[in-house]
Amino acid sequence: ETVMTQSPTSMSTSIGERVTLNCKASQSVGINVDWYQQTPGQSPKLLIYGASNRHTGVPDRFTGSGFGRDFTLTISNMEAEDLAVYYCLQYGSIPWTFGGGTKLELK
Amino acid sequence: QVQLQQSGAELVKPGSSVKISCKASGYTFTSYDMHWIKQQPGNGLEWIGWIYPGNGNTKYNQKFNGKATLTADKSSSTAYMQLSSLTSEDSAVYFCVLTTEGSLDYWGQGVMVTVSS
Repeated sequence: ETVMTQSPTSMSTSIGERVTLNCKASQSVGINVDWYQQTPGQSPKLLIYGASNRHTGVPDRFTGSGFGRDFTLTISNMEAEDLAVYYCLQYGSIPWTFGGGTKLELK
Repeated sequence: QVQLQQSGAELVKPGSSVKISCKASGYTFTSYDMHWIKQQPGNGLEWIGWIYPGNGNTKYNQKFNGKATLTADKSSSTAYMQLSSLTSEDSAVYFCVLTTEGSLDYWGQGVMVTVSS
């Protein structure tokens, strides 16, 4: 199966900061990667699909990029509501697999 | 609007089975895949598989073969997942998730399954 490795596993950030989250696939998955955001007690929400496409209603401070094995989610101007766990998902091969998540916390 | 309403929390004994439901509304139930995702406490997400309610076709994560069985009732627009031979490793929150454009667009609220004697 394709293993998705996210880094860092946690990050301390400040409001207004630019944040970059990484996701690396153990084999090429093309652009078949999504990013999801999960806040405590809530279901995950789709942010980015197809590596770089913002889902409906997602603020433009969220940007996804990447192809093949290396993917990035960037939050350009961190807001308090962005404190959450972020997961990448590959759906290029069965089984679909998630990364272990990156938790964003306040400094 | 799309809604996925999952059944309530379950407390079940080791070795038993449980069937959880996901009632869909706001879209054509038979036209889109329904996925199921597992999340153990404090842990990440695991993809279990999907069902296409239109014809009942399924695809499973091999890890869940024999553990999870996905079905769908077109008459009530409800998807089901049965988990069998339960152990403590099956204690988790289980989400049903709709894909309308290839991604996991709409998530149910999740069902907590606790396996304990």
